[in-house]
Amino acid sequence: QLQLQESGPGLVKPSETLSLTCTVSGGSISSSSYYWGWIRQPPGKGLEWIGSIYYSGSTYYNPSLKSRVTISVDTSKNQFSLKLSSVTAADTAVYYCARSTGVFDPWGQGTLVTVSS
Amino acid sequence: NFMLTQPHSVSESPGKTVTISCTRSSGSIASNYVQWYQQRPGSSPTTVIYEDNQRPSGVPDRFSGSIDSSSNSASLTISGLKTEDEADYYCQSYDSSNQVFGGGTKLTVL
Repeated sequence: QLQLQESGPGLVKPSETLSLTCTVSGGSISSSSYYWGWIRQPPGKGLEWIGSIYYSGSTYYNPSLKSRVTISVDTSKNQFSLKLSSVTAADTAVYYCARSTGVFDPWGQGTLVTVSS
Repeated sequence: NFMLTQPHSVSESPGKTVTISCTRSSGSIASNYVQWYQQRPGSSPTTVIYEDNQRPSGVPDRFSGSIDSSSNSASLTISGLKTEDEADYYCQSYDSSNQVFGGGTKLTVL
């Protein structure tokens, strides 16, 4: 059964870079059928797609975040990662990783990242 | 870019049927599949409908999805409502380079 698990700091200072990693278990991130995505959810609000990556490294990002986002993949560790630069309080959210074939499934449990000094 | 618009909230009684709409702002609703996710408080979203009208294994047949090109919208219908269906529901679709989620609908079963 495929499982995804987010990890990374729960607190980031304003203007710094948020860094998270998603570890995939129960399957290979190198499968040719899937993209791997990041989605976030501010407290009490809806879901926002951040971006997605193919195992080859091909990426596509939400245009509203594109200038600050980098998603990368490490096939040797079966992981993919998110970096979001110049964060503000508006970036405080639960960050989820998920496999994507058009449908996002399954999702990780999510990790809360708070931006505060 | 396009947007997906959902009602903020809906409510209905147990045993009844409720329909949640998801309207695409530009481009045809039929051009890309629509998915629906259920999110209970404190949990990650789970898929209840994919590819417009397909149910994952384990999702009861009380859940169904459809699209209507005339209104450029998708709908999630839940029949025989149970209190356990109370949750937030999100539609999601995509185009060539973007994934888009609707704003979410809070379903109250009372």
